Amino acid sequence: LAKTTQPISMDSYEGQEVNITCSHNNIATNDYITWYQQFPSQGPRFIIQGYKTKVTNEVASLFIPADRKSSTLSLPRVSLSDTAVYYCLVGAYTGGFKTIFGAGTRLFVKA
Amino acid sequence: NAGVTQTPKFQVLKTGQSMTLQCAQDMNHNSMYWYRQDPGMGLRLIYYSASEGTTDKGEVPNGYNVSRLNKREFSLRLESAAPSQTSVYFCASSIRVATGSESPLHFGNGTRLTVT
Repeated sequence: LAKTTQPISMDSYEGQEVNITCSHNNIATNDYITWYQQFPSQGPRFIIQGYKTKVTNEVASLFIPADRKSSTLSLPRVSLSDTAVYYCLVGAYTGGFKTIFGAGTRLFVKA
Repeated sequence: NAGVTQTPKFQVLKTGQSMTLQCAQDMNHNSMYWYRQDPGMGLRLIYYSASEGTTDKGEVPNGYNVSRLNKREFSLRLESAAPSQTSVYFCASSIRVATGSESPLHFGNGTRLTVT
């Protein structure tokens, strides 16, 4: 199972773009990269998922280089409400979704 | 649309007591999971169920049992609670998609368990 490494915490200001990088050197061929967001007292919420290159949705962009050993979650123009913990997961469906959540990255957005 | 519903939201137990955490999803998902989250840490997988009638151990299964009652419900039981099981417990579900595509996890809002 691929393990992930992310920064423990990051600070930003409202209106800035935030990039959170995740390392996953042992990613397997059939693994997807998935990012979740977690607010206090809530369960994690899916943000974005990708396999290679770039994926964009209304919330974020996910950049994945050709070797897939890392990925970067990009949050455009963050607001105070983006303060949360962000988790990078790597895994695939194998008859049971065995994935490993790391400690995540605590993003604190300041006014 | 309720999504993933967990009950109870809060629970306090004494060491040695037993209890069952309930989880139900209304999204017709195949797979269900139980995680625990300790303060300042990520989520650790306790057990999962890829389909009705099957269950498998995750990272930290000791001290827990699970039952996949039907496609909707997946319960987690603590037979003899210990202080080390004080945690927030999250249930999640996902749907099996055709090869090459993976469903993200849908989480409930957790059960906060304290064992004294």
